[in-house]
Amino acid sequence: GNSVTQMEGPVTLSEEAFLTINCTYTATGYPSLFWYVQYPGEGLQLLLKATKADDKGSNKGFEATYRKETTSFHLEKGSVQVSDSAVYFCALSVNDYKLSFGAGTTVTVRA
Amino acid sequence: NAGVTQTPKFQVLKTGQSMTLQCAQDMNHNSMYWYRQDPGMGLRLIYYSASEGTTDKGEVPNGYNVSRLNKREFSLRLESAAPSQTSVYFCASSESSPGNIQYFGAGTRLSVL
Repeated sequence: GNSVTQMEGPVTLSEEAFLTINCTYTATGYPSLFWYVQYPGEGLQLLLKATKADDKGSNKGFEATYRKETTSFHLEKGSVQVSDSAVYFCALSVNDYKLSFGAGTTVTVRA
Repeated sequence: NAGVTQTPKFQVLKTGQSMTLQCAQDMNHNSMYWYRQDPGMGLRLIYYSASEGTTDKGEVPNGYNVSRLNKREFSLRLESAAPSQTSVYFCASSESSPGNIQYFGAGTRLSVL
């Protein structure tokens, strides 16, 4: 089946620190990969996506590269802000439009 | 821009009570979904509707029913609520193609006592 494993949190950082959240996947076919973000009290929203190997998704200073050889899609940001405090979900879809989510990683950025 | 609207935002039920969670989208999407979010478990798909008139079970359908009332609306019903159904419920919608983005509502926080 399809599954996503992402690093457990919570992660606490100081402002301007470097953030990495690891995500690996198993899939029965060729997946599209996503990062969704959930700000406190809100629903999920797409942060970035990649649909084929070696694609790099980017948005709001976040980046993730689709690595087929390592089945990974790690999320990175070079300098986090307090406003980046949120829960981050890695997800995939294979051959259809349903999503399989990781467990989520809670990130807290302190001023 | 309303997007995906869920009602109610909060609900407290007693064990055995029933209720319906409402969801409506204004993006003319074919596909709609219901998820539940529990700590440490990410989002799990309860039911989905690929298009108007069709519904299918997801990963955790037991204890729930759904109705795709029309293209805009997709409701989730708990016939006899149980404490294990205490969770945050999210509705989402998307176009019906692989790799398409899902758009989420703000969620319904349900407590079953």
